[in-house]
Amino acid sequence: AQSVSQHNHHVILSEAASLELGCNYSYGGTVNLFWYVQYPGQHLQLLLKYFSGDPLVKGIKGFEAEFIKSKFSFNLRKPSVQWSDTAEYFCAALMGGSYIPTFGRGTSLIVHP
Amino acid sequence: NAGVTQTPKFQVLKTGQSMTLQCAQDMNHEYMSWYRQDPGMGLRLIHYSVGAGITDQGEVPNGYNVSRSTTEDFPLRLLSAAPSQTSVYFCASSDVNEQFFGPGTRLTVL
Repeated sequence: AQSVSQHNHHVILSEAASLELGCNYSYGGTVNLFWYVQYPGQHLQLLLKYFSGDPLVKGIKGFEAEFIKSKFSFNLRKPSVQWSDTAEYFCAALMGGSYIPTFGRGTSLIVHP
Repeated sequence: NAGVTQTPKFQVLKTGQSMTLQCAQDMNHEYMSWYRQDPGMGLRLIHYSVGAGITDQGEVPNGYNVSRSTTEDFPLRLLSAAPSQTSVYFCASSDVNEQFFGPGTRLTVL
């Protein structure tokens, strides 16, 4: 079955630390990949997306993600996190021609000031 | 352009009561979906629609009904509420590029 896995369920960092959140998908065909962020008490917002082209995608607020097809991965990175990055992060994928994405279980990030 | 709107924002029900969560979008998207969000479970798809008059089940459809009589509206009905349906419910509409989420409804079933 098509699925999206996020390996880090809870991450705690200090401000200025670097961040990398893992995301893997299980599908051998063409995929469209997304990272969404949910700040406390809010709804999900798009951080960045990859459809094709340069596998290194830059999003809002200094986030970037790299698509590695051979590893079925789309990891999210930020070189220096801020307290305001405290949120839940969801990886999602459109697979098999579907227009309804499959979501990972999310990663809760807490950044200490 | 309001995007995706949901009502109510909060609701408390007693076991066995029924209610409808409303969702509307003004972006003329064909695709709409309902998710529930529970701690540690991420987002789970309840039902979705690929256009007016067309709906299908997602991962966790039991206890919920949907209909799509217009492009704009996609209500979610709880037929007989159970404590296991206590959750935060998000409606989303999407095009090929992105999903847009509503603000959510926090439902508690006593």
